[in-house]
Amino acid sequence: DSGVTQTPKHLITATGQRVTLRCSPRSGDLSVYWYQQSLDQGLQFLIQYYNGEERAKGNILERFSAQQFPDLHSELNLSSLELGDSALYFCASSLVGAGLTGELFFGEGSRLTVL
Amino acid sequence: AQSVTQPDIHITVSEGASLELRCNYSYGATPYLFWYVQSPGQGLQLLLKYFSGDTLVQGIKGFEAEFKRSQSSFNLRKPSVHWSDAAEYFCAVGPLTGTASKLTFGTGTRLQVTL
Repeated sequence: DSGVTQTPKHLITATGQRVTLRCSPRSGDLSVYWYQQSLDQGLQFLIQYYNGEERAKGNILERFSAQQFPDLHSELNLSSLELGDSALYFCASSLVGAGLTGELFFGEGSRLTVL
Repeated sequence: AQSVTQPDIHITVSEGASLELRCNYSYGATPYLFWYVQSPGQGLQLLLKYFSGDTLVQGIKGFEAEFKRSQSSFNLRKPSVHWSDAAEYFCAVGPLTGTASKLTFGTGTRLQVTL
């Protein structure tokens, strides 16, 4: 158990809909990262927050947005969903930037299926 | 831009045999390199990391990796594979910064272990 909690574990929805994925980081971790894992794209970095502020951005679509709240949990919002958004979405956390500690702690992921 | 190449998509080894998983990276400065493992239905777990110093690093579960700057490689090795090592292995490269990090992962190598 990494200490990172993601909900929901599975989600099935239709094209055009909007969903919210939630992540609770390990106790004390200030950084939260979102990754998308799909069969054709592999593990893609989406975005990172540190203590409520966006710190790094990757290949995140404009239809997607994220935020980190004062209690440090984070939400990833996916809107106008397309079939290609079907993937496993991972949240990870670390105390500070991953470069300092060298370790990201990953949740078990939220599997999104868009029909 | 940083990138990671894992040339082997799938490797099968017999239990007790040695293992080497290849990883080549492209990075503009001193790389910070990682190997993560993903067991079925689980998130990623850090196996080992290289920041500086000794180019042969030891990790958990009996794994080791060797950093070779001249070859831009960071191959993962294990002298004797156990059936429980069957999983997907990801090499990653990232910068060393204070609060912002953007790890780039390879596409992964799936390891199958035959008994």
